[in-house]
Amino acid sequence: EVQLVESGGGLVKPGGSLRLSCAASGFTFSNAWMSWVRQAPGKGLEWVGRIKSKTDGGTTDYAAPVKGRFTISRDDSKNTLYLQMNSLKTEDTAVYYCTTELSVWPIAYLDYWGQGTLVTVSS
Amino acid sequence: QSVLTQPPSASGTPGQRVTISCSGSSSNIGSNTVNWYQQLPGTAPKLLIYSNNQRPSGVPDRFSGSKSGTSASLAISGLQSEDEADYYCAAWDDSLNGFWVFGGGTKLTVL
Repeated sequence: EVQLVESGGGLVKPGGSLRLSCAASGFTFSNAWMSWVRQAPGKGLEWVGRIKSKTDGGTTDYAAPVKGRFTISRDDSKNTLYLQMNSLKTEDTAVYYCTTELSVWPIAYLDYWGQGTLVTVSS
Repeated sequence: QSVLTQPPSASGTPGQRVTISCSGSSSNIGSNTVNWYQQLPGTAPKLLIYSNNQRPSGVPDRFSGSKSGTSASLAISGLQSEDEADYYCAAWDDSLNGFWVFGGGTKLTVL
């Protein structure tokens, strides 16, 4: 059974930093593309960014609102995905979900989702 | 303002058929497949439909998807009370360096 468990959320002041983790199990993590998606309170879903598997280059892509402030990384030896968030703004307040991503053109989708971790940016 | 456009709400009575629309552009729905997610209250989104009209294992065949041009639709037949949830469409957008885009979500109420 695929399991994704996020952790590391909490309250942080504007301008501060936070690192989220996502522990994966039930599938071959090293082969997986992984994404982060966030949801502000009472709002819709917003893609944050993704990291490809090392066999596919291990490259990262980011949404415009977080580019230059957020960094996605992975530790395949620990089956763990990370999201380093710097220079946080109040508009970054959201539940952050990690997801697996399947992309075999022309088919692509975010399939499994974790339960999410809440990040609150407030003074 | 979401890149994909969905109606904010929809409703139906048990047993009815309801549809939810999703409108995009040539850079997303027009050139890539569409996925749908169901988010029950207080839970994480769950993949409901992928590749326009495919159901993951375990999703009832009451749920179906379709796509035409730059628009897509989710249909739910035989509506049940447990279908009350938020529904989101999503697609990859090829503009810039590429990114996932979502609809703003449709809150489905079962009357």
